[in-house]
Amino acid sequence: GAVVSQHPSWVICKSGTSVKIECRSLDFQATTMFWYRQFPKQSLMLMATSNEGSKATYEQGVEKDKFLINHASLTLSTLTVTSAHPEDSSFYICSARDLALSEQYFGPGTRLTVT
Amino acid sequence: QKEVEQNSGPLSVPEGAIASLNCTYSDRGSQSFFWYRQYSGKSPELIMFIYSNGDKEDGRFTAQLNKASQYVSLLIRDSQPSDSATYLCAGRTGTASKLTFGTGTRLQVTL
Repeated sequence: GAVVSQHPSWVICKSGTSVKIECRSLDFQATTMFWYRQFPKQSLMLMATSNEGSKATYEQGVEKDKFLINHASLTLSTLTVTSAHPEDSSFYICSARDLALSEQYFGPGTRLTVT
Repeated sequence: QKEVEQNSGPLSVPEGAIASLNCTYSDRGSQSFFWYRQYSGKSPELIMFIYSNGDKEDGRFTAQLNKASQYVSLLIRDSQPSDSATYLCAGRTGTASKLTFGTGTRLQVTL
């Protein structure tokens, strides 16, 4: 299967700071990338969908000014959590898809802890 | 109403048995379906996908799709303790659209 990487795998930051998470497709061109959040023992929640070169489409209830998404190239998307607060502590997972592949592959996730 | 529904479980099966995981969907426009496995603390891993009615086999896994009944299932033969995980079912209406996930079924394979 296709490989998607994320960096960092875990991060601890102080309340009020910003954190950037990178998502890369290593062996395919990701025309579309998705960002999910998952709280402990809960299901995946889609935050936003981004297409290369376009603005991200955010799901209802997700603050676009707080969760900044950039998909500047076919292999890289970034999620920046701005002014992070303890309630933003979660497992953030990106997923990538190439229309030629049709399937959607997940990165390993980034565990964010805001103190 | 949830668009993709799964029984949360846990589904407990003995080692070596067949595990049957089920999923129903409400959107008749859904064209393709995906099964992901998620171990605790890890991200989902794609197991199989299916587009056509009928069965699709890959090793110990068989996906089954019945569009008339709006039903998708995943069979795991010769279940192993390492199969213990949460299994997520997802549907998609078109190749360019997003996946709609169920809440997942937790499978426990006992020794």
